[in-house]
Amino acid sequence: GENVEQHPSTLSVQEGDSAVIKCTYSDSASNYFPWYKQELGKGPQLIIDIRSNVGEKKDQRIAVTLNKTAKHFSLHITETQPEDSAVYFCAAIGNFNKFYFGSGTKLNVKP
Amino acid sequence: DTGVSQDPRHKITKRGQNVTFRCDPISEHNRLYWYRQTLGQGPEFLTYFQNEAQLEKSRLLSDRFSAERPKGSFSTLEIQRTEQGDSAMYLCASSLGPSDRDDQPQHFGDGTRLSIL
Repeated sequence: GENVEQHPSTLSVQEGDSAVIKCTYSDSASNYFPWYKQELGKGPQLIIDIRSNVGEKKDQRIAVTLNKTAKHFSLHITETQPEDSAVYFCAAIGNFNKFYFGSGTKLNVKP
Repeated sequence: DTGVSQDPRHKITKRGQNVTFRCDPISEHNRLYWYRQTLGQGPEFLTYFQNEAQLEKSRLLSDRFSAERPKGSFSTLEIQRTEQGDSAMYLCASSLGPSDRDDQPQHFGDGTRLSIL
């Protein structure tokens, strides 16, 4: 099955700085890569996704890049705000549409 | 609220008891998934339904676990003879997609947190 690794496990940035979270995957057949934000006591919330026919996608302060050759993808958050503080998960899709999640990155944005 | 709904939000039970959780997916979503999440980890896939058919089960889903989606709408996940290791957050997700596309976003509920005493 798919194996997704995520780094770093924790990330602390100053408000206004950028944050980058990186993931690698093992199955070259994976073609869909979502990112989720999870706040305490809540379920994961989809924030952005990218399909394998696209190299980059941007939505306001959030962007995702994908390198299929190297099998890695990254989440970029610019102009971070305290409300961006949460745990972020990357995922890659396997057969039967099941997601394989990374182990998460706890982002702390200091005011 | 038209999101994925899970009930109960919290369940505390003694070891050996049976528990049942319910998930109501987003209306008209034909695909439904169950995941398990332990502290500090990402969600792990348990099982997947397309309409009422259970198409995939993880090896994590021992014979004490059973899931149903009888009419292709809501789903239940039952755990029999609960063990300490079953303590986790159980998440449900749903998506809408044709059978020949597997790149559809999944929308999660807020989960049921199970604590085994």
